[in-house]
This record gives sequence, C-alpha cells and structure tokens, in this order.
Amino acid sequence: AQSVAQPEDQVNVAEGNPLTVKCTYSVSGNPYLFWYVQYPNRGLQFLLKYITGDNLVKGSYGFEAEFNKSQTSFHLKKPSALVSDSALYFCAVRDGGYQKVTFGIGTKLQVIP
Amino acid sequence: NAGVTQTPKFQVLKTGQSMTLQCAQDMNHNSMYWYRQDPGMGLRLIYYSASEGTTDKGEVPNGYNVSRLNKREFSLRLESAAPSQTSVYFCASSETGTGYEQYFGPGTRLTVT
Repeated sequence: AQSVAQPEDQVNVAEGNPLTVKCTYSVSGNPYLFWYVQYPNRGLQFLLKYITGDNLVKGSYGFEAEFNKSQTSFHLKKPSALVSDSALYFCAVRDGGYQKVTFGIGTKLQVIP
Repeated sequence: NAGVTQTPKFQVLKTGQSMTLQCAQDMNHNSMYWYRQDPGMGLRLIYYSASEGTTDKGEVPNGYNVSRLNKREFSLRLESAAPSQTSVYFCASSETGTGYEQYFGPGTRLTVT
C-alpha cells in the first residue's frame, strides 16, 4: 500500500523568507511524487513532480522540491516567499505501476506581509 | 482549450434525492478520476477510469456510480444522497502512465440536507 504524510497542518512564514512544506511517503516500489497547490474555491493545480533523475526538481512559480530516498521525503521549498503563495499545498504519491494516486491531507501555507 | 470542466458548480439536495455530476476534458487524456475533498481528509479517490470503457473503484466508492460516456466525459451519480456525501467533488484527468500529473476541474460543492 502507498501512503503520504504531511506532518504540518499549517506553516506560517514571513514574506521574503524561505519556506519549506514537508512531505514523507511510503511505497513498495519506485515512487512517483507530485506537489499540487489549491487556491480558495479552486481546483488543484500541478506544481512539480519527481519521476527519476536529479533529486532537486524545479517547478512552477519558483517552487522546487528535494527528493530524499533514504528519508523517504519530498519537501517543497521556495527561496523567497510571496504573499500570493498563501494557499493549500498537497503532496501526492503514486507507486510505480500502480494507477491510483494517494494525496496527503494538505498543508495550509500562510505568508505574512 | 478549457481543460477540465464540471457542472454544476453548486448543488443542494435533500436526503434520498439523486443527481449526476458531469465532467468533461478536452486534452485527449485517457485517464479520468473523481475525488471528494473533506476538511482534514485531503482528497479521496471515489472512482477512476484508466481508459474509455473501463472504470474501477477507488478508496470511497460506496453510494456512488460512474459512467465513462466516451473519452471526453466521465460522470458521477449519487443514486440516493445522504448527508455524509456533503463534500466538494473534483474531477481530474491525466495521460495514462504513472509519471503523469493530473489536471483538475474547478469542483462541485454539494450539500445534502
């Protein structure tokens, strides 16, 4: 079975500071990892993914994520937070060869001006 | 290119009523999904369709049925609505394969009284 954990319900960060949103996963095969963002009253939007290759993945809006196989983590990062980054962030995992995607419960990011 | 569209945006039902949520995508994707989003629960997969003519149960299929009408359209039916089905419903689509991200519709907010 595959699972994903987002240990923080909410992350608060000051505008201009670096941000990190944490995600850990569990799969039996090779992991395929995704980050999505949801703005209020909107559907989820894809940010970035890790399939294979470089452990540091770059995505939309200046976000990046670091894949760490030994720690089974895929943390989302951004060097300098913007107030407009305030949203709900979801980590998702798919086991290689498995059609279904499992989502975390989401982390609310609040960027304080 | 509208992406993934869902109708209706909002719906209020009485217990025992039935309704169908419609979803269509114009990206020529083979795979389509229905999720529900509840506070503190993240997204949970109700049903998915890996390709036209096939459907499979997800994590929470009870009380729902689906129809993959053609490659573009994937509908979700509630035969006898219950208050526990009050939720926000999202349709998504993707290319077939484990490395592909999902594209989400704007959601349907359903209240069952």
